[in-house]
Amino acid sequence: QKEVEQNSGPLSVPEGAIASLNCTYSDRGSQSFFWYRQYSGKSPELIMFIYSNGDKEDGRFTAQLNKASQYVSLLIRDSQPSDSATYLCAVGRGNTPLVFGKGTRLSVIA
Amino acid sequence: DAGITQSPRHKVTETGTPVTLRCHQTENHRYMYWYRQDPGHGLRLIHYSYGVKDTDKGEVSDGYSVSRSKTEDFLLTLESATSSQTSVYFCAIRGLAGALTDTQYFGPGTRLTVL
Repeated sequence: QKEVEQNSGPLSVPEGAIASLNCTYSDRGSQSFFWYRQYSGKSPELIMFIYSNGDKEDGRFTAQLNKASQYVSLLIRDSQPSDSATYLCAVGRGNTPLVFGKGTRLSVIA
Repeated sequence: DAGITQSPRHKVTETGTPVTLRCHQTENHRYMYWYRQDPGHGLRLIHYSYGVKDTDKGEVSDGYSVSRSKTEDFLLTLESATSSQTSVYFCAIRGLAGALTDTQYFGPGTRLTVL
């Protein structure tokens, strides 16, 4: 059974701080890694993806991947109240459907 | 916007009645998926399709069937709805995330309540 684990939270950070979201996965053959953001009552939307070890930056977001440790993280710099949402980690391998974690709820306090 | 629509967006039905949810996409994607999302369980895959008339089960397929008679439409049917099937249902398609990888993009969801 392929599993993706996330801390459910809530993770509370003050406005302007760095939010760090973590994810571990069980399938060593996983090839691609995604972070989705889901606002309450809305559908998940893709915000970042990574498939090579190391860091990938996009604006205030940085995804980090360590395949040896089977660990993915998402850093959000200068957190804003509009970043308050649930963040889903997803892992892919070949043509099989993505495996999703249950999500971490982030609350950014103004 | 991945060109995905779901209908209906909200539905209330009674236990034992059949229910069909529709997912429609406009961009000729080969892969389509049905998920349900419940508090404490996250997104769970019900069924998916990898082409017209080609479907496969996900982790929570019991009580659900699907059909895909044309590329743009993927139907999810609850043959006899039960209260445990009260959930938010998301359709997704597989599309490009970058030059070397693809991912899943979600429709707006259908909120189903079974009384």
